[in-house]
Order: sequence, then C-alpha cells, then structure tokens
Amino acid sequence: QQPVQSPQAVILREGEDAVINCSSSKALYSVHWYRQKHGEAPVFLMILLKGGEQKGHDKISASFNEKKQQSSLYLTASQLSYSGTYFCGTESGGSNYKLTFGKGTLLTVNP
Amino acid sequence: DGGITQSPKYLFRKEGQNVTLSCEQNLNHDAMYWYRQDPGQGLRLIYYSQIVNDFQKGDIAEGYSVSREKKESFPLTVTSAQKNPTAFYLCASSMGTGGYEQYFGPGTRLTVT
Repeated sequence: QQPVQSPQAVILREGEDAVINCSSSKALYSVHWYRQKHGEAPVFLMILLKGGEQKGHDKISASFNEKKQQSSLYLTASQLSYSGTYFCGTESGGSNYKLTFGKGTLLTVNP
Repeated sequence: DGGITQSPKYLFRKEGQNVTLSCEQNLNHDAMYWYRQDPGQGLRLIYYSQIVNDFQKGDIAEGYSVSREKKESFPLTVTSAQKNPTAFYLCASSMGTGGYEQYFGPGTRLTVT
C-alpha cells in the first residue's frame, strides 16, 4: 500500500522551515527520501532504517518513528534550491524489499 | 563516470506497436527497477530484478515485459496490451535490496497516439 504524504504542497519564503510527513499502514523496515525537480530524475536524500538513528546532512534531516510507522523530513532555513517534489518511499521487509512511493509533496521556495 | 543511462529521452509511437526502453548501468549494481510516473501519482513500480536472469512483477506489471540477461542492462518492453502507455518511465538501480539507496536514470518520456 502506498504511504501517505502530507502536506500535498507547501510554499515557503527563503529562510523558512518546513516539515513533510510520511505515514504507512504497514510495519516498516526502512524509509527513503528523494527530491525531484520538474522533468528530472529523483535524487536520493537519505534513508532511515528500522532501529537506526535520525539522519541528517546540512540543513535537511529526518526522523523515523517505527512504532507509528511514520517518518518526517525537516528542512530548515530553506534555500531556493530546495524547491521540488519530495517523495518518501517505504520498504516493509520480510521477503518483500520493493520500495513503495508516496504521491509526493510539492515544495516551492520563493525569494 | 558511473551512472545509469536511459535512451531515448523522448519516444513517440503509434497505438498498437510494442516499444522497448533501454536502461544501462555501470555501477556494478545487482538490483534494477522500472518505475512509471504519471502527474500526481508518484512513482509506481513496474518490474524489478534482484539478480541476473531473475525478475519480479511490481505493482503495475500488466502490459509490460522485461529481461535481465546481463547485470548492466534491464530493458523494458511496453506492449500493445498496456491500456494507457503514455507516461514518464524511470529506471533505477541499487547495490542490493533491503535498505539500499536507489540511483535513477534521467527517464524516458513515452507518448503513444
């Protein structure tokens, strides 16, 4: 089943913060986060594994609540380059390691 | 430079014709994937392969076929049985399955009229 992302869209001014949420109805092994610019390929941001630590680099970080099957992506002091569509992808594990993506969150950062 | 190549970038076909999309990687990755992207739908998995000569259906495999005869190549054929083939097709690869990041190719935009 497809994970649910919220919000569907968000508009920020440069320097503002944003949180994007991803929730699943299944127990999760991992959560992946990708960013896609219009007409381009998705670019990997980070992966969070069950039992692992919160990840982050630069001003983008993420958390993974295994009990609630939820993950959140935090973007702080947003830059114009952060604009794009953010996708979470979830793996349920077991013998099924295929990645199922949410519908995406469109983030627009304005000057 | 290591990466994934997809060709062509744009492809036009008449309804009723089969068409094959190319995907090649030189990352020495074991796993490869095909996704379809439609506006507002996210990425949906068509087929994936964890190892050469083996592949599994994804969530929307009907009307598609694949082969994995070489580690670096995973071509996708869109058959005439696919009811709505016009879409953006993305190929990806990863070192393995289960907690590995996926690297995406630039995509092929297929238009069928």
